[in-house]
Amino acid sequence: AQSVSQHNHHVILSEAASLELGCNYSYGGTVNLFWYVQYPGQHLQLLLKYFSGDPLVKGIKGFEAEFIKSKFSFNLRKPSVQWSDTAEYFCAVRKGSQGNLIFGKGTKLSVKP
Amino acid sequence: EPEVTQTPSHQVTQMGQEVILRCVPISNHLYFYWYRQILGQKVEFLVSFYNNEISEKSEIFDDQFSVERPDGSNFTLKIRSTKLEDSAMYFCASSGDRGRGTEAFFGQGTRLTVV
Repeated sequence: AQSVSQHNHHVILSEAASLELGCNYSYGGTVNLFWYVQYPGQHLQLLLKYFSGDPLVKGIKGFEAEFIKSKFSFNLRKPSVQWSDTAEYFCAVRKGSQGNLIFGKGTKLSVKP
Repeated sequence: EPEVTQTPSHQVTQMGQEVILRCVPISNHLYFYWYRQILGQKVEFLVSFYNNEISEKSEIFDDQFSVERPDGSNFTLKIRSTKLEDSAMYFCASSGDRGRGTEAFFGQGTRLTVV
């Protein structure tokens, strides 16, 4: 069965530190890849997405992610985090032609001011 | 900005009771989804709905669950006889075009507590 793995359950960083959250998936065919963020008390919001083309995608709020097909990975990065980035981050994968998303377990990010 | 709205935000129910969770998807969207997230666990797909019928469902979506689009705007999830393990956050989502380059937009969720 297709699965999505997020390696870190909880990451704690100081402001201005760099961030990288890992995401690996198991499906071998064409995929659409997403990162969603859930701020405390809010709904899931799309940070960025990859469908095709340039494997380095840029999203909102300075986030970016790189799709590495050979590693089945789609890691999320941000060069300098802010306190307001404190949230839970979910990687999600959709098989090329189907509608539902398969989510990873999420990574909680806490940024200390 | 259009958004998916869910009501209620929190529902407490006794075991064995029926609950209906309501969602209003984004108005021009065609595909609708329910997901759930048990506390401390990942977001899990329950069901997708298109053209007034279920297009896909997971193993979780057993006979206790049903979905309906009773009118042109609402999309509901019914749990017929709730169990303690149904306690979770339930998210509704909608998208404009299934699997062709669009993302799902999520509602704020309904926290269901079964006691």
